Amino acid sequence: GAVVSQHPSRVICKSGTSVKIECRSLDFQATTMFWYRQFPKQSLMLMATSNEGSKATYEQGVEKDKFLINHASLTLSTLTVTSAHPEDSSFYICSASGQHLNYEKLFFGSGTQLSVL
Amino acid sequence: DAKTTQPPSMDCAEGRAANLPCNHSTISGNEYVYWYRQIHSQGPQYIIHGLKNNETNEMASLIITEDRKSSTLILPHATLRDTAVYYCIVASGYSTLTFGKGTMLLVSP
Repeated sequence: GAVVSQHPSRVICKSGTSVKIECRSLDFQATTMFWYRQFPKQSLMLMATSNEGSKATYEQGVEKDKFLINHASLTLSTLTVTSAHPEDSSFYICSASGQHLNYEKLFFGSGTQLSVL
Repeated sequence: DAKTTQPPSMDCAEGRAANLPCNHSTISGNEYVYWYRQIHSQGPQYIIHGLKNNETNEMASLIITEDRKSSTLILPHATLRDTAVYYCIVASGYSTLTFGKGTMLLVSP
């Protein structure tokens, strides 16, 4: 099946620094990418939806200036956590779908565990 | 609003069939039933989906009741590697997936 690669898998950073997470679709063109956040023992919460070449749509309560999303190409989307704080520590997961929004074709990355000290 | 209801946890013996139920009494006519699973510290993995007919693939079978208000995911011969959180999601083709709390399936030797 199609592969979504997410990098890094784990990152530890100091409070106040910025962290960039990459999400790549390796063998298909991802017109839409989704970013989720998951706190321990909780379910995935959608943060934002990004379409290639346009601004991301953020879910209510998600600060767009803090969580910068760039989807400049059909195979790459990035999430930058700016001025990270300990409460931003979480498991971040991206997913991607192909040209036709068919959820059989929604593939997820392996996730990034962010720990802010 | 939760669109699906699943038991928080289930146990299954290795080699036996695991039957995971899901209630979705408010499902609308254009919504599919999707099942994903998440193994600890990994991204979710697609399992199967269906509209109203029963479906089977290499991973599992999906049984949807005639009134579509509930469904059951069947793993015919559970292995230890099937231990995961299983999410039942209802969604139309043009909406985003909303994950509930899922069912934690523990497969034991």
